[in-house]
Amino acid sequence: DSGVTQTPKHLITATGQRVTLRCSPRSGDLSVYWYQQSLDQGLQFLIQYYNGEERAKGNILERFSAQQFPDLHSELNLSSLELGDSALYFCASSVGAANYGYTFGSGTRLTVV
Amino acid sequence: DQQVKQNSPSLSVQEGRISILNCDYTNSMFDYFLWYKKYPAEGPTFLISISSIKDKNEDGRFTVFLNKSAKHLSLHIVPSQPGDSAVYFCAAIRDFGNEKLTFGTGTRLTIIP
Repeated sequence: DSGVTQTPKHLITATGQRVTLRCSPRSGDLSVYWYQQSLDQGLQFLIQYYNGEERAKGNILERFSAQQFPDLHSELNLSSLELGDSALYFCASSVGAANYGYTFGSGTRLTVV
Repeated sequence: DQQVKQNSPSLSVQEGRISILNCDYTNSMFDYFLWYKKYPAEGPTFLISISSIKDKNEDGRFTVFLNKSAKHLSLHIVPSQPGDSAVYFCAAIRDFGNEKLTFGTGTRLTIIP
């Protein structure tokens, strides 16, 4: 157990639907990062939150959004889902500045049918 | 723009021999380089890192070498063990103000007993 909790582990949904992925960071970590891993692809950075505020944005589609709540858990919202959104979505956390040893959760596997 | 590249999608090595995983990068501003290991159904876990001011870092059976002039780093595993079979991701980060890790596409290492 890495200390980073992601739910659900698996999700199957239809095209056009909306889903919410949840992440609870490791205790004491203020930063949350979302990454997407599609088939045979590396981990693509989507977005980072630090202590409730958006810190950095990567290749995140406009159909996707995220937020970090006061208790530091984060949610990634994916809407108008397409087949190509099927992927593993990882959340990672870190203490914050000058800490690069991210701790990853075990991921949510999203399948869009 | 793939700033971190792992050109070998897979590698098979005999148990007890040396495994060498390679990674190339294009951004000379990266300050730290890291290797992550990922087992199926789990999130990536931090393995070893190296600062851009060093050319070698060793931790047990794992050694990372950095060649800044060639923008190349490698991970050596000696001796290789069956439990080392996993996907290895190379990652890099630019500076303390930008905490986003940029990942390569991964290399699947298979240790043959």
